[in-house]
Amino acid sequence: GAVVSQHPSWVICKSGTSVKIECRSLDFQATTMFWYRQFPKQSLMLMATSNEGSKATYEQGVEKDKFLINHASLTLSTLTVTSAHPEDSSFYICSARWGLRETQYFGPGTRLLVL
Amino acid sequence: KNEVEQSPQNLTAQEGEFITINCSYSVGISALHWLQQHPGGGIVSLFMLSSGKKKHGRLIATINIQEKHSSLHITASHPRDSAVYICAVRFNNYQLIWGAGTKLIIKP
Repeated sequence: GAVVSQHPSWVICKSGTSVKIECRSLDFQATTMFWYRQFPKQSLMLMATSNEGSKATYEQGVEKDKFLINHASLTLSTLTVTSAHPEDSSFYICSARWGLRETQYFGPGTRLLVL
Repeated sequence: KNEVEQSPQNLTAQEGEFITINCSYSVGISALHWLQQHPGGGIVSLFMLSSGKKKHGRLIATINIQEKHSSLHITASHPRDSAVYICAVRFNNYQLIWGAGTKLIIKP
């Protein structure tokens, strides 16, 4: 099946720094990528949807200036958490699909801990 | 309002038991996904359904469009099946609405 990778798998940073998370589709062209966040013992929450070459669409309540999403190519999307704070500590997961296909393929996730 | 409800929230069973997890939704959908999230957080897409029934190994997923209900069944359950199972539904747009998940523990 299709493979989606994320890098890094985990990251620890100081409060106030910015962290970039990469999501790559390894064997297909991802026309759409989704970014999710999951707090402990909670369900996944969709943060934003990005289509290659266009601006991301953010869900209500998600600050687009804080969570910068770039989908510059059909195989790579990045999520940058700017000026990270401890409350941004979470599990970030991306998924990708191509065209209008229903199936989303999920990355393994990135654990972010902000100290 | 588009809603997705899963039941039960938690389920503990003995190895070998037949497992059923349910998912109900409020309005018409274009597709329903069943996903498995392992304790480490990794997510695996198990099934995508728009009608009928699908089977993969010991896993069976069914959907009843008229009743707005889907079930995920696990036959001959095994401790390695222990995970959180999530139902996610697309309501005629391309974003998914997620259920809260069912935490399944299979004891040896």
